[in-house]
Amino acid sequence: EDQVTQSPEALRLQEGESSSLNCSYTVSGLRGLFWYRQDPGKGPEFLFTLYSAGEEKEKERLKATLTKKESFLHITAPKPEDSATYLCAVQAPGAQKLVFGQGTRLTINP
Amino acid sequence: GAVVSQHPSRVICKSGTSVKIECRSLDFQATTMFWYRQFPKQSLMLMATSNEGSKATYEQGVEKDKFLINHASLTLSTLTVTSAHPEDSSFYICSARDSARGEYGYTFGSGTRLTVV
Repeated sequence: EDQVTQSPEALRLQEGESSSLNCSYTVSGLRGLFWYRQDPGKGPEFLFTLYSAGEEKEKERLKATLTKKESFLHITAPKPEDSATYLCAVQAPGAQKLVFGQGTRLTINP
Repeated sequence: GAVVSQHPSRVICKSGTSVKIECRSLDFQATTMFWYRQFPKQSLMLMATSNEGSKATYEQGVEKDKFLINHASLTLSTLTVTSAHPEDSSFYICSARDSARGEYGYTFGSGTRLTVV
């Protein structure tokens, strides 16, 4: 069974304090690994898709990386507006649906 | 591009009544849409996969007679919660895939907060 585990469950940082969120996955083959940001009371907002080990993508203060077993979302010099829940999801080959992790609730204090 | 509109954003209904939630793909055609349920501080739980012109595929443990899904066109899927009870109160989110947009394919609606009183 495909599984996604995210850690930590919650993370509090000071503004400017860089850190990383982890997404470990077990899937029989990987069609894609997705990162989303979700604000309270809103639907998830797309951030990145990664397809193969070694791939990296960046957007503003965020950088996503992928290995054969896990993905990291690195956040550099975060700002309070980066506070949100970050969700990781995987898609297996031949599957339409995404399997989501539990998310990491990130809080950036000013 | 790739906008998914979900309506209503909030609904309060009495126990025993039915509620319909709409999910529309505004600028693309979606042969497949997905319905999720999310409890506070928890992740998204897939309820069903909605396929245009055919029956939805429900995840294990989801009551198909309680959560009716209709995907009558390439831009509209609806979720009807029948005979709603307080335990059905939750945040419901739809998503659709724009196959023409590659890696941006899975777009989510803004969600519907259902409260059953």
